[in-house]
Amino acid sequence: SQTIHQWPATLVQPVGSPLSLECTVEGTSNPNLYWYRQAAGRGLQLLFYSVGIGQISSEVPQNLSASRPQDRQFILSSKKLLLSDSGFYLCAWSGSGLLNEKLFFGSGTQLSVL
Amino acid sequence: SQQGEEDPQALSIQEGENATMNCSYKTSINNLQWYRQNSGRGLVHLILIRSNEREKHSGRLRVTLDTSKKSSSLLITASRAADTASYFCATGSARQLTFGSGTQLTVLP
Repeated sequence: SQTIHQWPATLVQPVGSPLSLECTVEGTSNPNLYWYRQAAGRGLQLLFYSVGIGQISSEVPQNLSASRPQDRQFILSSKKLLLSDSGFYLCAWSGSGLLNEKLFFGSGTQLSVL
Repeated sequence: SQQGEEDPQALSIQEGENATMNCSYKTSINNLQWYRQNSGRGLVHLILIRSNEREKHSGRLRVTLDTSKKSSSLLITASRAADTASYFCATGSARQLTFGSGTQLTVLP
């Protein structure tokens, strides 16, 4: 069966520090991968998605970047965090076929930038 | 702006009662999905209903879709304290899935 791992669960970082959140998927190959951000009490905002190694699409301009160095690994990064980067970050995957419409989410990372 | 918007924003009921949440959307869709999120956790897919379906069941969940009104409802029957969570509707393909802001359901024991 497929599983998705996301870490760390909680992170407190000072403004201006770098960020690296990692997500890995097991039990499937060539998944579509996603990074979402969720503000408190709100819905999800899609940040990045990837359909393959090295292929990243950015949905909103921001202080963050994403990379996919391996088929089942997705990394969210920042060189210098801003206060506004605080939030709940979720990694997700879906199948790569046209009819694979469901998303499967990791457990999330609560990022606090102080 | 969000494609799907849930109503109400918050709902509090007693255990054993039914809970109904609604979702409205703006543009035509191929399908609509409902997800659940426990506090501080990731979302879990509950059910997907296609545009040519009017009703779908999964266990204690019943989802309806009215494409003429651009709305969907999620009914949880015989609610349990463990159903306490936020519920989101989502429309679009997986690459462009748009979520509403959710309904926070609290089931009191």
